[in-house]
Order: sequence, then structure tokens, then C-alpha cells
Amino acid sequence: EVQLVESGGGLVQPGRSLKLSCAASGFTFSNYYMAWVRQAPKKGLEWVATISTSGSRTYYPDSVKGRFTISRDNAKSSLYLQMNSLKSEDTATYYCARHAIYNNCFDYWGQGVMVTVSS
Amino acid sequence: AIVLNQSPSSIIASQGEKVTITCRASSSISSNYLHWYQQKPGAFPKLVIYSTSYRASGVPSRFSGSGSGTSYSFTISRVEAEDVATYYCQQGSSNPFTFGSGTKLEIK
Repeated sequence: EVQLVESGGGLVQPGRSLKLSCAASGFTFSNYYMAWVRQAPKKGLEWVATISTSGSRTYYPDSVKGRFTISRDNAKSSLYLQMNSLKSEDTATYYCARHAIYNNCFDYWGQGVMVTVSS
Repeated sequence: AIVLNQSPSSIIASQGEKVTITCRASSSISSNYLHWYQQKPGAFPKLVIYSTSYRASGVPSRFSGSGSGTSYSFTISRVEAEDVATYYCQQGSSNPFTFGSGTKLEIK
């Protein structure tokens, strides 16, 4: 059974940094692209980042490019999201998701972790 | 960026009724890259339909999808109480990968 478990969320002040983690199990982690998708309170879904199997290629939308960094440790079956220069509009639940590269869908999701950016 | 216009924004349906949600893209998308998700209240999203018309593992046959180009649809043939959720379309055709604004399904 595929399981994705996020951690590392919390309350952080604007301008500060936070790092999220996602522990994966139930599949061969190193064979899959992985992604982060977020959802602001009572809002829709927004793709945040994707990383290739080896970690050599990363992709971001303009809204987070230059501030967020996605990374992975295949030996630990873990995915990370380093978030810098956080803004109030980054307040959201962040989901770790498995990214199916053949059609760019997100076929499995974690339960999510809440990040609140506020002074 | 490709914008996905989803309609309606909300539906109130009776159990056993057929419901259809549409998703219109601002640019043409290959059918391989259009997907649908279900998010039940307080839960994480779940892939329901991928590549326009293929049901994800374990998804009941009452869920279906169709479409091509810029116009896609998602149908529940006979709504059940457990289908109460918000449904989102998503395109994987081009970066940034975008989602529709969602359709909230409620039962009368």
C-alpha cells in the first residue's frame, strides 16, 4: 500500500524559512517523480514543485520559483520542500504526491501538513 | 499558463441522479493529460479519472470521463451519499500544471 506521510509544518513568521518532509513507503521511491501540491484555506489546489527520479531536474511555477526548493533522498525514501522568504499567501496545507510522469497526474497523495505564515 | 474553467461551481443532487461537471481549457490539451480528483470534506485529494476517461484503481464504474481538445466532462451516473465531495480537473499538458477551481457536490 502506497503511503505518504508529511511532517514539519507549523506557524512561521513572514520572511522566515521552513522545511517540510515526506516519508514514502509501499513503492519503489527511486523510480518515481514526486511533487508538492498546496491548498490555501477554503481554496483550490495549486501545484508547487516536482522533482525527477534522480533529483537532477526540478520544476516550479513562477509563484514559488527562487523561494522554494524541492529535493529528495532516495536512500531514505524521503521528499523535502525547503521554503524560504515565506509570505502570508504561502499559508496552506501542503500535500506530498506521487507524480506519474507519463501523463503528469498525481496518483497518490499524503494527508497533508499545515503551514501558517503569520506574525 | 493553461486556465481550466470548471462548471458549475456547486451542484445539489438527489441520490440516484446523474451529474455532469465540465472543464474547459484555455488552450487545447491532449486527452492523455486531463485528470479528475475527488476531495471529500476534511480529506486529501484522490485521483478518480486519469487521461480523460480511465478510472483509477478501486474507483466505482458510476464515475466516467470524456472529452477532447479544450472541452472535457466528468459524470457520476447515479450519485450516492458517499460521493459528497469537491471535484477538480487538472491538466498535465504544460508547466505550470494547473487545476480547475472545483465543483462542490452536495446531496439533497
